[in-house]
Amino acid sequence: GAGVSQSPSNKVTEKGKDVELRCDPISGHTALYWYRQSLGQGLEFLIYFQGNSAPDKSGLPSDRFSAERTGGSVSTLTIQRTQQEDSAVYLCASSPMGGNQFFGPGTRLTVL
Amino acid sequence: SQKIEQNSEALNIQEGKTATLTCNYTNYSPAYLQWYRQDPGRGPVFLLLIRENEKEKRKERLKVTFDTTLKQSLFHITASQPADSATYLCALDNAGNNRKLIWGLGTSLAVNP
Repeated sequence: GAGVSQSPSNKVTEKGKDVELRCDPISGHTALYWYRQSLGQGLEFLIYFQGNSAPDKSGLPSDRFSAERTGGSVSTLTIQRTQQEDSAVYLCASSPMGGNQFFGPGTRLTVL
Repeated sequence: SQKIEQNSEALNIQEGKTATLTCNYTNYSPAYLQWYRQDPGRGPVFLLLIRENEKEKRKERLKVTFDTTLKQSLFHITASQPADSATYLCALDNAGNNRKLIWGLGTSLAVNP
């Protein structure tokens, strides 16, 4: 596709379960970003990838959160032992080097 | 401390008027600043980028100004339409390489017919 895609679009899980969120960036975009947005709040930076490496993981809220990117393309964000406060929309964006960011539609995570 | 601030109160204007949104920052020296639009339930969409050596940038009905002395960017929508109703986010690049944008919380704009 032409844009950034994310899956699933919605995820409902029980507290304590692990979840994996997927992001397919625009082909050729070297940079990939994960953000979290709670209802009515701003974008909270989580992690940034340049190629397959993550030079900036400073936004990951705890060690329950991890992310990887393979082949300079697809990225997965994993949340282990989910908590209710993890409920939010998780947004992925990609950009060419030095360019503006293109966002996906997000994954709405609800932890019961 | 470093801060980026946008009008927290929603802006309501009449169709056809010019909407002006403000983005102020402190203790940053951004190489450039970007404006995005976000509709409910969707990811932000890029609108305009302005560099530190540019005073003004235009795109159709949109105009952005950037005053590095005042540490402020203004975002204008002329001849506003109800379809312009959305939340508008500013984001600045403090490192000059777009590796990590610093985001404002956004201002909600409602254009009334």
